[in-house]
Amino acid sequence: SQQGEEDPQALSIQEGENATMNCSYKTSINNLQWYRQNSGRGLVHLILIRSNEREKHSGRLRVTLDTSKKSSSLLITASRAADTASYFCATDPPQAGTALIFGKGTTLSVSS
Amino acid sequence: SQTIHQWPATLVQPVGSPLSLECTVEGTSNPNLYWYRQAAGRGLQLLFYSVGIGQISSEVPQNLSASRPQDRQFILSSKKLLLSDSGFYLCAWSRGNGPYEQYFGPGTRLTVT
Repeated sequence: SQQGEEDPQALSIQEGENATMNCSYKTSINNLQWYRQNSGRGLVHLILIRSNEREKHSGRLRVTLDTSKKSSSLLITASRAADTASYFCATDPPQAGTALIFGKGTTLSVSS
Repeated sequence: SQTIHQWPATLVQPVGSPLSLECTVEGTSNPNLYWYRQAAGRGLQLLFYSVGIGQISSEVPQNLSASRPQDRQFILSSKKLLLSDSGFYLCAWSRGNGPYEQYFGPGTRLTVT
């Protein structure tokens, strides 16, 4: 079953602009993670935020988590053409054991 | 460092033929292992996961099966492929003691004709 839902499904921006993607989920979670997938490749882990954290940074990435609203956002600042990819959020609800439940992803296109 | 291998990279198989996809992990022990399928332009569907040798959890009933004959080897199989089995198959691993960031292989593109 789908736990996370990303919004928007697709996003097109110019280099240098910021990109914001949102994720909503349905049940309680231990952690929320964001992944990136270049076309035809495997996913790459970007960042993990724990349920007791509200914000986390990694380079040009900023992730926020609002457990009361069951939502998270991923902000990529000063985007580059190389950021073009699909971005997925993943949650680990207690009933999933060690498994992650992935959303359908946001496809980001950054044009130069 | 840890690495994960998947093969083959691409595969074209006729309907009704068998399937065997292999995934191996190096540089870690007792990993959790996962098989996902991704349809074109879609999210990931968890198919199977394993927390140890011989321990397989199935998430979606279908004509696929998984086995873990060795600690760092995960195999996805089918006796008879269906057209609907076409997709991009991804193997992943995570550490056994959490918090379960997953590390993905390069994937296998399967086309059933």
